[in-house]
Amino acid sequence: DQQVKQNSPSLSVQEGRISILNCDYTNSMFDYFLWYKKYPAEGPTFLISISSIKDKNEDGRFTVFLNKSAKHLSLHIVPSQPGDSAVYFCAAMTYNAGNMLTFGGGTRLMVKP
Amino acid sequence: DAMVIQNPRYQVTQFGKPVTLSCSQTLNHNVMYWYQQKSSQAPKLLFHYYDKDFNNEADTPDNFQSRRPNTSFCFLDIRSPGLGDAAMYLCATSRVSGGNQPQHFGDGTRLSIL
Repeated sequence: DQQVKQNSPSLSVQEGRISILNCDYTNSMFDYFLWYKKYPAEGPTFLISISSIKDKNEDGRFTVFLNKSAKHLSLHIVPSQPGDSAVYFCAAMTYNAGNMLTFGGGTRLMVKP
Repeated sequence: DAMVIQNPRYQVTQFGKPVTLSCSQTLNHNVMYWYQQKSSQAPKLLFHYYDKDFNNEADTPDNFQSRRPNTSFCFLDIRSPGLGDAAMYLCATSRVSGGNQPQHFGDGTRLSIL
């Protein structure tokens, strides 16, 4: 049973526009959520995170929104750049559970020039 | 720069021939993890070390073993690789201390089985 789901396997966006990547989870014990970016032939790179006590966290062009009642989070990238083209993984963990991550299946983002 | 380094980046072995993948870190993190990732699927946790304590995931095959001789190094041993073990193997580290911390990944070792 997948506890973290990314229902869109791919997303295509025009350069300069907003990219919105979505993630849903089922485990209400998750209290920390992360987004990782992965280029081909490289490991995942930590991008941004949010604690369950917040509903928004912003870092430059990247903003993560958390809706706990809906068990949904999203990553907004604005403006999107061609260099943002990668696979984005949503992940979740529970405090004091050894930092164990549960990953979603990933969304491939393509930003067209 | 502090980082997680995996060697080699690409490894080819024969069916049934033991292989060892290595990971080192300069972050001084107390937890090290090994993941298996196939195609574009989510990384699957195989096991992790919390300091010297080894923690195996329930569905990790016995064919996979790990060693952590010191804080900086961790090894993944595949005793008798099968064709189904061809994958990207990712090492990650994190610091567990009174709060949530992200895991930091190496660039992985892509294992091919002939």
